Amino acid sequence: TQLLEQSPQFLSIQEGENLTVYCNSSSVFSSLQWYRQEPGEGPVLLVTVVTGGEVKKLKRLTFQFGDARKDSSLHITAAQTGDTGLYLCAGDVSGNTPLVFGKGTRLSVIA
Amino acid sequence: DAGVTQSPTHLIKTRGQQVTLRCSPISGHKSVSWYQQVLGQGPQFIFQYYEKEERGRGNFPDRFSARQFPNYSSELNVNALLLGDSALYLCASSFGSGTNTIYFGEGSWLTVV
Repeated sequence: TQLLEQSPQFLSIQEGENLTVYCNSSSVFSSLQWYRQEPGEGPVLLVTVVTGGEVKKLKRLTFQFGDARKDSSLHITAAQTGDTGLYLCAGDVSGNTPLVFGKGTRLSVIA
Repeated sequence: DAGVTQSPTHLIKTRGQQVTLRCSPISGHKSVSWYQQVLGQGPQFIFQYYEKEERGRGNFPDRFSARQFPNYSSELNVNALLLGDSALYLCASSFGSGTNTIYFGEGSWLTVV
């Protein structure tokens, strides 16, 4: 059983389009993080959200943590080819437990 | 400042052999975690060490072991390699024992043939 379910698994869009990817769980997390991973490299931390309902913006990326702290979304506005990569969400249940990762959403932005 | 550094970056081993992977955390970070990422999957937790003590262990067989040194660097050892151990092995560091802000290295690609 996957603790964190990410959807969609694959997404291919044209440059300039908007998109949203989702990270869902039946468990409550004390914090949730989003990473971006490029082929052959380690994941790079984009954001950490800790408060239910929290919204954080990072340039064209908007991250939201669900009110119940069980889910999160990542919205990208006007996608660029440089946004291509694997987007991973990861959560920890208590702050001192290991991070649990979803399988990721593989995004391809085509010029 | 250097980020998390891992070595080797790529290696090929034969079934039954043993491998040692190395990790140096970000300067000042005292916690190191190891993750295995199989192609097409998210990283899976293997071990966490903080102040040279094991703080957590994932669902991996005893063939996997690790240790942390006084300078906070770490080694991951895998004995009796199986084909299924082929993966990207990621090391991550953080300042404290909490896990809500960790930074990954670029990983060590292990291929078992």
